[in-house]
Amino acid sequence: DQQVKQNSPSLSVQEGRISILNCDYTNSMFDYFLWYKKYPAEGPTFLISISSIKDKNEDGRFTVFLNKSAKHLSLHIVPSQPGDSAVYFCAASARGSQGNLIFGKGTKLSVKP
Amino acid sequence: NAGVMQNPRHLVRRRGQEARLRCSPMKGHSHVYWYRQLPEEGLKFMVYLQKENIIDESGMPKERFSAEFPKEGPSILRIQQVVRGDSAAYFCASSPLPPKYSYNEQFFGPGTRLTVL
Repeated sequence: DQQVKQNSPSLSVQEGRISILNCDYTNSMFDYFLWYKKYPAEGPTFLISISSIKDKNEDGRFTVFLNKSAKHLSLHIVPSQPGDSAVYFCAASARGSQGNLIFGKGTKLSVKP
Repeated sequence: NAGVMQNPRHLVRRRGQEARLRCSPMKGHSHVYWYRQLPEEGLKFMVYLQKENIIDESGMPKERFSAEFPKEGPSILRIQQVVRGDSAAYFCASSPLPPKYSYNEQFFGPGTRLTVL
């Protein structure tokens, strides 16, 4: 069973516009959420995170929103740039776990010039 | 400060052979995690180790897979008698603090792509 779901395998956005990547989760024990960016043939790179005590975290062009009642989070990138083209993974960690991350399947973002 | 190093980057094995994947964490990091990514899938947790200790191996297949993180040297993920289904990208991540002190991002290596013929 998939505890972290990214239902859109791909997303295409025009340069300068907003990219919105979505993630749903089922485990109410998750209390920390992270977004990773991954280029081909490289490891994931940490982008931004949010604790369950918050509903928003912002870092430059990247903002993550958390809606606990809906068990939903989203990553907003604005303005989108061609260099943002990559696969984005949503990940979660559960309270009381040893810190291992549960990943979604990823969304491939293409930002067109 | 070098990042997480993994080698080899690519490994080809025939069915029944052994595969050894190595991971050197970032300097000062003593917590190592191994993840596996099958084609078209997300990363799946396998094992969490500290120096000389396996802390959580709940994601490891019960047979053929083992991991270690010795006092000196890299962490090793070992797969005995490989089968085609073991073909995947194996990623190692490290962090400086235990999870309860650092509910934090993990730093990933570039991965080892294992192909079993």
